[in-house]
Amino acid sequence: AQSVSQHNHHVILSEAASLELGCNYSYGGTVNLFWYVQYPGQHLQLLLKYFSGDPLVKGIKGFEAEFIKSKFSFNLRKPSVQWSDTAEYFCASRKNSGYALNFGKGTSLLVTP
Amino acid sequence: GAVVSQHPSRVICKSGTSVKIECRSLDFQATTMFWYRQFPKKSLMLMATSNEGSKATYEQGVEKDKFLINHASLTLSTLTVTSAHPEDSSFYICSAVRIGYTDTQYFGPGTRLTVL
Repeated sequence: AQSVSQHNHHVILSEAASLELGCNYSYGGTVNLFWYVQYPGQHLQLLLKYFSGDPLVKGIKGFEAEFIKSKFSFNLRKPSVQWSDTAEYFCASRKNSGYALNFGKGTSLLVTP
Repeated sequence: GAVVSQHPSRVICKSGTSVKIECRSLDFQATTMFWYRQFPKKSLMLMATSNEGSKATYEQGVEKDKFLINHASLTLSTLTVTSAHPEDSSFYICSAVRIGYTDTQYFGPGTRLTVL
């Protein structure tokens, strides 16, 4: 069975600090990987996704993630966070197109002015 | 485009009553919709996969008689929590897979259910 683990449950950063959120997945076969963001009171939005190809994926709002197969990792990064990045971030995996997503527990990010 | 709505956004009900939650894809058709449940400070847990015109597929541990799912059209799936109890209080989120665009799921805003 698949599982996704996110190492940081709560992260507090000052504006302009760099961000890296860890994500590890367990499935050994072909896997699709995602990062979603949930702003307070809003629905889940897709930040970026990886299916194949270039392991460095760029998403919206300046976020990027790197797929490292040997480490089963898909960490999310942003060089300089803003107050508006305060949100809950979820890493997710799935076996293939059309399947349901398997979510990590989420990381709550608070960016202070 | 690709908007998914849920209704209601919040519902409070008494223990023992049934509650219906609707999930609609507003500007696209979806043969597959997923229902997730989110506990406070925890991840989204898949409850069931809803396929238009067929019976839903439930995840292990999810009572199909308690959480009735109906996907009667290509734009609507409903989740009915029957004989709700306080432990059913949670945040229920649906997602829809657009026909021909199976790479991406579009999420609804969620429904907060509180059972007194």
